[in-house]
Amino acid sequence: KAGVTQTPRYLIKTRGQQVTLSCSPISGHRSVSWYQQTPGQGLQFLFEYFSETQRNKGNFPGRFSGRQFSNSRSEMNVSTLELGDSALYLCASADTAGVFGELFFGEGSRLTVL
Amino acid sequence: KQEVTQIPAALSVPEGENLVLNCSFTDSAIYNLQWFRQDPGKGLTSLLLIQSSQREQTSGRLNASLDKSSGRSTLYIAASQPGDSATYLCAVANQAGTALIFGKGTTLSVSS
Repeated sequence: KAGVTQTPRYLIKTRGQQVTLSCSPISGHRSVSWYQQTPGQGLQFLFEYFSETQRNKGNFPGRFSGRQFSNSRSEMNVSTLELGDSALYLCASADTAGVFGELFFGEGSRLTVL
Repeated sequence: KQEVTQIPAALSVPEGENLVLNCSFTDSAIYNLQWFRQDPGKGLTSLLLIQSSQREQTSGRLNASLDKSSGRSTLYIAASQPGDSATYLCAVANQAGTALIFGKGTTLSVSS
């Protein structure tokens, strides 16, 4: 079956702009979680959605937000971009809520902020 | 606050060697621990998941062990191959399943 799909794969924005990233989970999976990966901080948890509800949220400012649709596809939005938001953004899907089970990751969206 | 450390940060070995990657965590109250592999510029692939009640898991040439009381996990790779070259990350889930904390990874290079 198809894996986790993230779009776009690459994008370049300038400071102050906003960006929306999309994640389509594996068919049948209702949990989508988002992560930011940078060389300095490594992988950090952003938030998790299950059945259209945000269940958990990491320690990120309110500029980072997300949502999940009824078909389990999820989007994350970053407003008022800063240089430090340049990162690889990964999403993962799972068939259970929370971070209890095996996670299946997409290939990521690489965001560059100039 | 849970912290996950992976040592060494980088490792180079010749093909065929058996090797061990280390992961340590500061809070033993975990639900499970996962090992992932990441190729350059790609997402993560789950390799092994060990529940807190388990001691080890095996998949092919990979064996992961967990010692919750000492806050340690090891990933053993037997007979390494150039295709094993990648970054290996471990991640621990807290008991409530609300947080997944990653180490910064060990970058493995296997030369032929």
